[in-house]
Amino acid sequence: AQTVTQSQPEMSVQEAETVTLSCTYDTSENNYYLFWYKQPPSRQMILVIRQEAYKQQNATENRFSVNFQKAAKSFSLKISDSQLGDTAMYFCAFMNRNAGGTSYGKLTFGQGTILTVHP
Amino acid sequence: DAGVTQSPTHLIKTRGQQVTLRCSPKSGHDTVSWYQQALGQGPQFIFQYYEEEERQRGNFPDRFSGHQFPNYSSELNVNALLLGDSALYLCASSFPRAGYTDTQYFGPGTRLTVL
Repeated sequence: AQTVTQSQPEMSVQEAETVTLSCTYDTSENNYYLFWYKQPPSRQMILVIRQEAYKQQNATENRFSVNFQKAAKSFSLKISDSQLGDTAMYFCAFMNRNAGGTSYGKLTFGQGTILTVHP
Repeated sequence: DAGVTQSPTHLIKTRGQQVTLRCSPKSGHDTVSWYQQALGQGPQFIFQYYEEEERQRGNFPDRFSGHQFPNYSSELNVNALLLGDSALYLCASSFPRAGYTDTQYFGPGTRLTVL
């Protein structure tokens, strides 16, 4: 079974600064996706960024980028120029893409990291 | 472009009752997944529906059942409610096909409180 670990229960950052959220995962699969979702107090789960395991290039989306280390099974999220609206719970999630394998097509989430951006 | 919608927003039930939650997927999506999120925790996968059939199931008892309709909308039913069923129930839709990055988009959730 796959597991996702987020070792930072809470993080804080000043507005306009950069922060990195950590995520490690455990799997024996070689074809999978990794995601970061944010969940603000409004509770809507919003996709931040995604990474296909077969791509060596790290994904970027505007101020958000990832550091994907496949051999180390590490998938950290970097938020640059932090904004007050980035305050939320952030979840790292794994999806197995081997058809017929266990947990195919389902998301396995970490426990989350609460990020607070201070003015 | 309408996103994923869920109803109701929140509801309160008592132990032993039954509840039905509803979800309409994002336009163009045909696969619906349901998750249970306890307070302060990450979501846990309940099951996934595709072509009106349950395709995947997580570690949830048979009290949790679902249905998908021809228009791809879905229902989650929970029978014999327990206090521990109190949670936020999230619906996610997707279009998992070869050549597409399978991404699940979430609705706003239904907050269920069992007294």
